[in-house]
Amino acid sequence: AQTVTQSQPEMSVQEAETVTLSCTYDTSESDYYLFWYKQPPSRQMILVIRQEAYKQQNATENRFSVNFQKAAKSFSLKISDSQLGDAAMYFCAYRSSSWNYGGSQGNLIFGKGTKLSVKP
Amino acid sequence: GAVVSQHPSRVICKSGTSVKIECRSLDFQATTMFWYRQFPKQSLMLMATSNEGSKATYEQGVEKDKFLINHASLTLSTLTVTSAHPEDSSFYICSASRGWDQPQHFGDGTRLSIL
Repeated sequence: AQTVTQSQPEMSVQEAETVTLSCTYDTSESDYYLFWYKQPPSRQMILVIRQEAYKQQNATENRFSVNFQKAAKSFSLKISDSQLGDAAMYFCAYRSSSWNYGGSQGNLIFGKGTKLSVKP
Repeated sequence: GAVVSQHPSRVICKSGTSVKIECRSLDFQATTMFWYRQFPKQSLMLMATSNEGSKATYEQGVEKDKFLINHASLTLSTLTVTSAHPEDSSFYICSASRGWDQPQHFGDGTRLSIL
């Protein structure tokens, strides 16, 4: 079974600075998807960035970028020029791209999350 | 596009009451919908996966008779918590996707409080 680990329960960053959130995962599959979701106090889950495992190039989305190290099974999120609105819980998630016979299909497996605080 | 509406956003009711939560995809057809449960300061845990027109697939440890899921159309899935008790109090979140291998779009969640 796949697992996702976020080793940093809480992180803090100064406004306009850069912060990196860590995520590692365990899987025996070669093809899969990785995601970072943001959950602000309003509780809605917002997709921040997505990475396909078969792509070597790291995904970027404006101020958000990832460092995807497939061999190390690492998927960290870098937030540049942090803003007050970035404060939230951040969840790393894994999704298989294979059909799971006898089980759920396409479900996300989440890490425990990292609470990010942004100081003005 | 890809808006998912979840209703109600907050429910407070007495123990023994059955509560229905709706998850609607407003601008796309959702072949697959997922129901998650999130305890305070915890991650999202998948409860079940529902596919339109077929029975839901429940995760291990989730009581099928307790959490009834219906996915009768391509835009609506419902989760009914039957005879709810205080231990069922939690945050329930749905997500919808065009297919099992397509991106999931989340609703705003429902905060359920059983007194």
